[in-house]
Amino acid sequence: QVQLQESGPGLVKPSETLSLTCTVSGGSISDYSWSWIRQPPGKGLEWIGYIYYSGSTNYSPSLKSRVTMSLDTSKNQFSLKLKSVTAADTAVYYCARVTSVSSWYYFDYWGQGTLVTVSS
Amino acid sequence: DIQMTQSPSSLSASVGGRVTITCRASQSISSYLNWYQQKPGKAPKLLIYAASSLQSGVPSRFSGSGSGTDFTLTINSLQPEDFATYSCQQSYSTLWTFGQGTKVEIK
Repeated sequence: QVQLQESGPGLVKPSETLSLTCTVSGGSISDYSWSWIRQPPGKGLEWIGYIYYSGSTNYSPSLKSRVTMSLDTSKNQFSLKLKSVTAADTAVYYCARVTSVSSWYYFDYWGQGTLVTVSS
Repeated sequence: DIQMTQSPSSLSASVGGRVTITCRASQSISSYLNWYQQKPGKAPKLLIYAASSLQSGVPSRFSGSGSGTDFTLTINSLQPEDFATYSCQQSYSTLWTFGQGTKVEIK
């Protein structure tokens, strides 16, 4: 059974960099693509970006200038860095597996989510 | 970006009833549309992919339809565990987007 678990600081100061890691168990990270999604308190889901098994990335235009995603195949992990954060970046951050069937892509496994609060 | 708009934002329904949620894309997305269910404090769960394909393990009372710009999620014989928020998501473009969500509450 595939499981994903987010980890990282729950509190980040404004203007600093948010760093999260997603550890994947029950399968190899090299076999799929992976994504980060966030949800501000009381609001809807926002796609942040995805990273292919090859390491290539695609980011939401609204966050592209501040986001970096990477893979660590030796640890079966992938990570998110979001720089220059503000209070608007306060959200529950989810990692998710991207599965494709033919040309259809969807998120079939999710982490439990981790709340990151941006505050001084 | 492709904008996804869901309606209604919330609705009340009775156990045993039928619910229909609509998702509209700002441009044609063929059938590249997924539906997720989310309960409070939990991660979203995939229900439907490719507009109408039921994810393994999801009860058959859930169904999806539509193509192009207009899509529907239908829940037949609503069960107590179905009260949740439902979100659509497009994967047509390389930049994926979600709808704002529809909250299904108990009447």
